[in-house]
Amino acid sequence: GEDVEQSLFLSVREGDSSVINCTYTDSSSTYLYWYKQEPGAGLQLLTYIFSNMDMKQDQRLTVLLNKKDKHLSLRIADTQTGDSAIYFCAWDRGSTLGRLYFGRGTQLTVWP
Amino acid sequence: SAVISQKPSRDICQRGTSLTIQCQVDSQVTMMFWYRQQPGQSLTLIATANQGSEATYESGFVIDKFPISRPNLTFSTLTVSNMSPEDSSIYLCSVEFEVEETQYFGPGTRLLVL
Repeated sequence: GEDVEQSLFLSVREGDSSVINCTYTDSSSTYLYWYKQEPGAGLQLLTYIFSNMDMKQDQRLTVLLNKKDKHLSLRIADTQTGDSAIYFCAWDRGSTLGRLYFGRGTQLTVWP
Repeated sequence: SAVISQKPSRDICQRGTSLTIQCQVDSQVTMMFWYRQQPGQSLTLIATANQGSEATYESGFVIDKFPISRPNLTFSTLTVSNMSPEDSSIYLCSVEFEVEETQYFGPGTRLLVL
């Protein structure tokens, strides 16, 4: 199967770190993505990681990939109220370009 | 990256009618896709819009219900036909460039069917 699972809700205080997790069952993918969706808005690509990498850091964002356990995480350092949104992990379908599976999304709420 | 626009941004429609959604990109792209996001749900791929040929539909989606056009490398349309309340969703187009392995999304079209 190609199910992608995410925890649905996460609440943190401003300034703390947030960790959003995603587990998947499809091991043939090449890239894994994190998207952010703010209320009433489209999807914003935050970052992505190639499947042969374990970690990628991009400013406040750190992506960790554990292929053995099929586990992906997004860590947001120094979380701000503006980070409140729904975060989706997404996974391509291997050899077929562009066709993505999406996780259920995690609603991140940041309290001041 | 790319600037992607969709029209309309939102609409309220009566059941049994059809709505055509437009997606315009500011540069030529290799791949264009259409996704659906039902209320409170994640995104589901409807189809790949192929330039100059018929779209490739995912399981559970058919051309009669969701006809798609892609006349050139910067434009595509998705029609939601014979609508029912279950079609109330956000419909998003996305694009992927050949040289990048990343996909960018339009702002979405919010559709409510009464």
